[in-house]
Amino acid sequence: AQRVTQPEKLLSVFKGAPVELKCNYSYSGSPELFWYVQYSRQRLQLLLRHISRESIKGFTADLNKGETSFHLKKPFAQEEDSAMYYCAPRIYIFGTGTRLKVLA
Amino acid sequence: NAGVTQTPKFRILKIGQSMTLQCAQDMNHNYMYWYRQDPGMGLKLIYYSVGAGITDKGEVPNGYNVSRSTTEDFPLRLELAAPSQTSVYFCASRQAGTGGEQYFGPGTRLTVT
Repeated sequence: AQRVTQPEKLLSVFKGAPVELKCNYSYSGSPELFWYVQYSRQRLQLLLRHISRESIKGFTADLNKGETSFHLKKPFAQEEDSAMYYCAPRIYIFGTGTRLKVLA
Repeated sequence: NAGVTQTPKFRILKIGQSMTLQCAQDMNHNYMYWYRQDPGMGLKLIYYSVGAGITDKGEVPNGYNVSRSTTEDFPLRLELAAPSQTSVYFCASRQAGTGGEQYFGPGTRLTVT
């Protein structure tokens, strides 16, 4: 069965601290792998995708095929990073989300 | 461009009533999706469409119907509403061959009592 797990419902960090939002998945086939973000009162929007290997707003995500993980990382959190983050290992499969709160 | 629009924003239905959630996009995207999100859960795919006249079931299609008569519109029909259909509904669209990025609507919050 296809499954995606975001183990933390809520992650609180202080401004300037490193952030890692975890995502583990299990299913057959090649993963497509996306991270979506929803800021307060805004729509769900794409943050980054594995295929592009890009860094957006300081975030990166590395695919670890051995661990089947696609964790989202940022070295120095900013208050404006506070939002809900959803991992999506396939275009139409989403995790339950992690709420990131960056404290001043 | 308005992007993806959804109406209504909120709705309260009584058990057994029917309604249609509207979704439209003005980006000429061929793929469109309907998701539901229950509290504390991820998005679950209800139905999707790869182009006008073509629709297919997702993970949780029971109790819903869709149609896609034009590229722009993808309405979701609820027949005989049940409390289990209380959820937030999101419509999304994307263009094939662009790396999979979906554009989401603002959502419709539906309560069935």
